[in-house]
Amino acid sequence: DIQMTQSPSSLSASVGDRVTMTCRASQTVSRYLHWYQLKPGRAPKLLIFTASSLQGGVPSRFSGSGSGTDFTLTISSLQPEDFATYYCQQSYRSPLTFGGGTKVEIK
Amino acid sequence: EVQLLQSGAEVKKPGESLRISCKASGYDFSTYWIGWVRQMPGKGLEWMAIVYPDDSDTRYSPSFQGQVSVSIDKSISTTYLQWNSLRASDTAIYYCVRHSREGCDADCYLPHIDNWGQGTQITVSS
Repeated sequence: DIQMTQSPSSLSASVGDRVTMTCRASQTVSRYLHWYQLKPGRAPKLLIFTASSLQGGVPSRFSGSGSGTDFTLTISSLQPEDFATYYCQQSYRSPLTFGGGTKVEIK
Repeated sequence: EVQLLQSGAEVKKPGESLRISCKASGYDFSTYWIGWVRQMPGKGLEWMAIVYPDDSDTRYSPSFQGQVSVSIDKSISTTYLQWNSLRASDTAIYYCVRHSREGCDADCYLPHIDNWGQGTQITVSS
C-alpha cells in the first residue's frame, strides 16, 4: 500500500494567517492527490483534486501544488470557517489511502 | 444537487449483524463508483470498498475484504454496507462516498471522491 504522511499533525493559527501543510507519499502517486476538509458532524468536503484543481464552490484562498511524492495545501488567508481537519488522499493505486490528517486550530 | 443520505446511528452488541444504507439522488446512480470510508474514534480515514452500480463490479480494500460486504439496489439508488458479526472494533463513523467520473487518466486507479454522505455512527458494545 502507498503510505501517505501529513505534516504537521496539528497547527495553531490566527484568522488572516497563511497556512501551509504537506503530504508525502511513500512512492509516486503522479498527480492523483486530493485534499478534503472534515468538520465534526458535517459531511466531509472535497477541496482540491489532482494536486492543484480547485473544486467548484471552494474559495480561491485554498490552493494545492506538487506532483510525484510531495504535495502542499495552502490557505492564503485563514478564515474562521477554515478551522477543521484536512486530509490528503491518493487515488493512483489500490487501495486508496489517506494521510493521517492536519488539524488546524485557533491560536 | 448530488445528495448521499445515510441511515441513522446504530448501537449494537458484538456478534450481531447490521446493514446500513446510503440513498443517492441528484445524479445517474448507475454510472458513478460509490463506496464507503471508515473513521474510527480519534483516527483518520480508511477507504473500504466501492461498487459500480451499472454492472455491480465490487472492489474491497484488502483490509476490509471478508469483513464487510457491499451491495446495491439500483431500483432505489441505494448502496448498503453489511456486517454479519460485529466486533467492538467496528465502532466508527462510516461515510458513503461517490467518486467523480473525471480527473483519472489511463494510469490511475480511481478518480477522486467528489461527494460524501453525512456519516453513520456505529457503536458496538456489550
